[in-house]
Amino acid sequence: NAGVTQTPKFRILKIGQSMTLQCAQDMNHNYMYWYRQDPGMGLKLIYYSVGAGITDKGEVPNGYNVSRSTTEDFPLRLELAAPSQTSVYFCASRSDGYTEAFFGQGTRLTVV
Amino acid sequence: AQSVTQLGSHVSVSEGALVLLRCNYSSSVPPYLFWYVQYPNQGLQLLLKYTSAATLVKGINGFEAEFKKSETSFHLTKPSAHMSDAAEYFCAVRGVRFGAGTRLTVKP
Repeated sequence: NAGVTQTPKFRILKIGQSMTLQCAQDMNHNYMYWYRQDPGMGLKLIYYSVGAGITDKGEVPNGYNVSRSTTEDFPLRLELAAPSQTSVYFCASRSDGYTEAFFGQGTRLTVV
Repeated sequence: AQSVTQLGSHVSVSEGALVLLRCNYSSSVPPYLFWYVQYPNQGLQLLLKYTSAATLVKGINGFEAEFKKSETSFHLTKPSAHMSDAAEYFCAVRGVRFGAGTRLTVKP
């Protein structure tokens, strides 16, 4: 099993550009999450999903969108990138609301 | 709402010394508490978890944590620090709401 796979690992965007961060898991987990990590700020939840077709906002959803058409995939879309979106993004999944989360290796995004 | 607070954004210990990383939780229902570790340029990985089966929980790499309901705490300890323990540690409630993290430095 590959676990949680994120692509790309690094990306530089110009202000106003758009991109999609990919996340795929092969553990048949229903729950999937997107976080951003900024220095000294811990992990902030952007969006989450409890199953295919179901998504909901987390703490910091502005400027992002998600979709969940399959159990395996949970892409994060950035529209009109801004410097404030410079961060490291992590995708995670877990089987239910009580178990531990499994994390991808992260995507380091810089907006210039 | 459930939340956790990690006391101390940075802890520095000498190799061989006791490691103590503090986490306090807020929850109106029995919490599911987790400690994760993040090594540089990597994702988080589970160290240990509390799910009410036992108040003293043992994890990987010699770490353990004790759930104390009266103190609403779930502090992480390791008797003897190793250089390889240098990393960032996160406490989480319900597995997905994280504290701000504590960076552990181990001095030779």
